[in-house]
Amino acid sequence: NAGVTQTPKFQVLKTGQSMTLQCAQDMNHEYMSWYRQDPGMGLRLIHYSVGAGITDQGEVPNGYNVSRSTTEDFPLRLLSAAPSQTSVYFCASSYEGRDYTFGSGTRLTVV
Amino acid sequence: AQSVTQPDIHITVSEGASLELRCNYSYGATPYLFWYVQSPGQGLQLLLKYFSGDTLVQGIKGFEAEFKRSQSSFNLRKPSVHWSDAAEYFCAVGVDNQGGKLIFGQGTELSVKP
Repeated sequence: NAGVTQTPKFQVLKTGQSMTLQCAQDMNHEYMSWYRQDPGMGLRLIHYSVGAGITDQGEVPNGYNVSRSTTEDFPLRLLSAAPSQTSVYFCASSYEGRDYTFGSGTRLTVV
Repeated sequence: AQSVTQPDIHITVSEGASLELRCNYSYGATPYLFWYVQSPGQGLQLLLKYFSGDTLVQGIKGFEAEFKRSQSSFNLRKPSVHWSDAAEYFCAVGVDNQGGKLIFGQGTELSVKP
């Protein structure tokens, strides 16, 4: 089925560990973005990309890196996890900023 | 900077009563506007969206929203709430109308009394 696939769905990390949250879309959308969701704060934009090779920071980029080597994939890297990064992460792709498709989310706990 | 405000953190309505969820945004031009709903532990479902044209937008599940440029608002309404509407609702603004960036409000949690 066409859509946005996020892996893993759940992850527990120890403080200081690194990991990559995967995001892939098969709709040939140019735009992709990452959000984190925390209680009472809605979804906040971490990083976004307008096409392969182009990324930019969102509202809360600190502690996260991204790259976009292909149109399909937009991985989010945590280089040294901190408890403050415990959250639910959503990836999205968009056609011209009008139609968004969200992944099902990754629930990350950092202990 | 662009921002979205949902003034009501939590709202409780009786089943069958009408509903209005408020959303105000700060943006220099006419943005793309969205309302999403999220049930506990679930992902986001799009209720409706506005880009241009008729300022009253119809969505799924009987929801509608009205864009008021003069008030920078995009309030969500439903004439008769069902128990299954209990969820969290998010208003979002598409920034710069490009780039796939959405700025979300903090969300409004809706409870429905029987």
